[in-house]
Amino acid sequence: DIQMTQSPSTLSASVGDRVTITCRASQSISSWLAWYQQKPGKAPKLLISKASSLESGVPSRFSGSGSGTEFTLTISSLQPDDFATYYCQQYNTYSPGSFGQGTKLEIK
Amino acid sequence: EVQMLESGGGLVQPGGSLRLSCAASGFTFSSYAMSWVRQAPGKGLEWVSTISGSGGSTYYADSVKGRFNISRDNSKNTLYLQMNFLRAEDTAVYYCANGRACSGGSCYSDYWGQGTLVSVSS
Repeated sequence: DIQMTQSPSTLSASVGDRVTITCRASQSISSWLAWYQQKPGKAPKLLISKASSLESGVPSRFSGSGSGTEFTLTISSLQPDDFATYYCQQYNTYSPGSFGQGTKLEIK
Repeated sequence: EVQMLESGGGLVQPGGSLRLSCAASGFTFSSYAMSWVRQAPGKGLEWVSTISGSGGSTYYADSVKGRFNISRDNSKNTLYLQMNFLRAEDTAVYYCANGRACSGGSCYSDYWGQGTLVSVSS
């Protein structure tokens, strides 16, 4: 099974900061990685697919990079609406552990 | 506009059963794999099950294998999850989600329902 590990689990930051969340796969998943944003009581929202492809309507301050086993989600300048929990998900191959455990982005 | 509406959640005793439904509209339902993803209170996302567009292939997390059954009725644009032998640890919000792109049973999703809460407790 492929395991996805995100770091950090919690991140405190301020409006305007640049933040980076890391997602590591236990084996290579090429670029088959998606990033989601989830706010309390809401369904996840797809931000990025194929590691770096920004979904339509997602602000350009969000970007993704990486391939193989290491990936990053970067928010270039945090906005108040960005405080949420972020998840990575691999879709390279059938594996029960497809989601990372999440990174909660909190206001400092 | 794509819409997915889950129903069927509720309170059930351990060992009991529930059937969740997800009514989809706004896209060609039969062309897409569909998944159930759950989220226990205060916890992260956990993939539960995926079914191919035709319904011919199904995939399950080890935690639900043998207890849950995913199915679909493409004539009704509806996805189902039959949950049997429910345990306290199955308590979660259950989301249905489309399979925008998949490799085997592993898909990512760009559309999600609003979720339905399943509580397993005596």
